[in-house]
Amino acid sequence: KAGVTQTPRYLIKTRGQQVTLSCSPISGHRSVSWYQQTPGQGLQFLFEYFSETQRNKGNFPGRFSGRQFSNSRSEMNVSTLELGDSALYLCASSLGLAPDQFFGPGTRLTVL
Amino acid sequence: GENVEQHPSTLSVQEGDSAVIKCTYSDSASNYFPWYKQELGKGPQLIIDIRSNVGEKKDQRIAVTLNKTAKHFSLHITETQPEDSAVYFCAASTVSAGGFKTIFGAGTRLFVKA
Repeated sequence: KAGVTQTPRYLIKTRGQQVTLSCSPISGHRSVSWYQQTPGQGLQFLFEYFSETQRNKGNFPGRFSGRQFSNSRSEMNVSTLELGDSALYLCASSLGLAPDQFFGPGTRLTVL
Repeated sequence: GENVEQHPSTLSVQEGDSAVIKCTYSDSASNYFPWYKQELGKGPQLIIDIRSNVGEKKDQRIAVTLNKTAKHFSLHITETQPEDSAVYFCAASTVSAGGFKTIFGAGTRLFVKA
């Protein structure tokens, strides 16, 4: 079974721009969660989607948004990028009824 | 708010020795406790997990213990090998009808010296 895939793997943007990251979960998984990983703050939960609905949300500003499609693929969008948004963005998928999560390799975002 | 504390932040052991990483959680409703291993340039990989109705679980050289009363859980790696060198994260999940929420510890960087 293929694992979680994330595209692109690397991104460089400038302040004020916006960015969209994509995540394809493991086949059959209906839940997708997004996390931001930085050296200073560790792994922080952004939001979780299940069957195209956002079920849970972390404490991030409204500039961070996401959505999930009918095939369970998910996208995350960050608008008006700030230098502090530079991080590794990780996507994790699960069946949705239990919290066993499997992570993708991440997208490394650098904001200049 | 809910948090998970993880210690130590760095751990260095000799090959063949045991390594122990400890975590404490604050949300008494947490009922699922996974451990992840993250190697350089990769996403975290689930290595073992334990649910709140179990006190201990073992998988080859890896074991996890849970003390719900004290709200702490630990990862034990025996007979460490150089390939065990990585960053390890503990996490505590709260499962409800509305889904689940997972809080991660800050991570432990394990060095296994050959």
